[in-house]
Amino acid sequence: SQKIEQNSEALNIQEGKTATLTCNYTNYSPAYLQWYRQDPGRGPVFLLLIRENEKEKRKERLKVTFDTTLKQSLFHITASQPADSATYLCALGGGNTGFQKLVFGTGTRLLVSP
Amino acid sequence: DAGITQSPRYKITETGRQVTLMCHQTWSHSYMFWYRQDLGHGLRLIYYSAAADITDKGEVPDGYVVSRSKTENFPLTLESATRSQTSVYFCASRQGGSGELFFGEGSRLTVL
Repeated sequence: SQKIEQNSEALNIQEGKTATLTCNYTNYSPAYLQWYRQDPGRGPVFLLLIRENEKEKRKERLKVTFDTTLKQSLFHITASQPADSATYLCALGGGNTGFQKLVFGTGTRLLVSP
Repeated sequence: DAGITQSPRYKITETGRQVTLMCHQTWSHSYMFWYRQDLGHGLRLIYYSAAADITDKGEVPDGYVVSRSKTENFPLTLESATRSQTSVYFCASRQGGSGELFFGEGSRLTVL
């Protein structure tokens, strides 16, 4: 069966450290992968998109990697801040997920302590 | 204000009643989507629309009806609400077939 797995347990780190979140998938062949941030009671907000032919993408303190052989994406936040505390969702699109549709993981909650 | 808005933000209804959740976007995006978010399941696609008068089923369409007579509006109707439809519903839009989704703030629906 098709699955997208994100760590369901919260990730607790100290301010200033690098947070690394994992997104693994099985039986999907996405053309691209996206990461979203969701705060409690709010809708998800887009952060980054990475395509299947890209290994890495950066935006300010954020870095995403995409390994289509391992079927895994890693999402890094460097120099983390308490304001980075939120739930982070990965989403697959294109390929055999269907061109227009995005399929979401369940998200990982990140808690950054001062 | 520009953006994507959902209404109502909160709704309590009873089993068997009809409920319509509204979604309006001001960007003239071609694509619009309805997702539901439940603990343990994440966001699941209910229906989506590629343009006015074009809609298609997502992963969990049973019990829901959509229409899109105008590009900017994409209402979601629960014709006879059930307790299993208690959830947070998110509307989203985007211009092209890929790229970022813009989400509304969500509509929290409770079916008693």
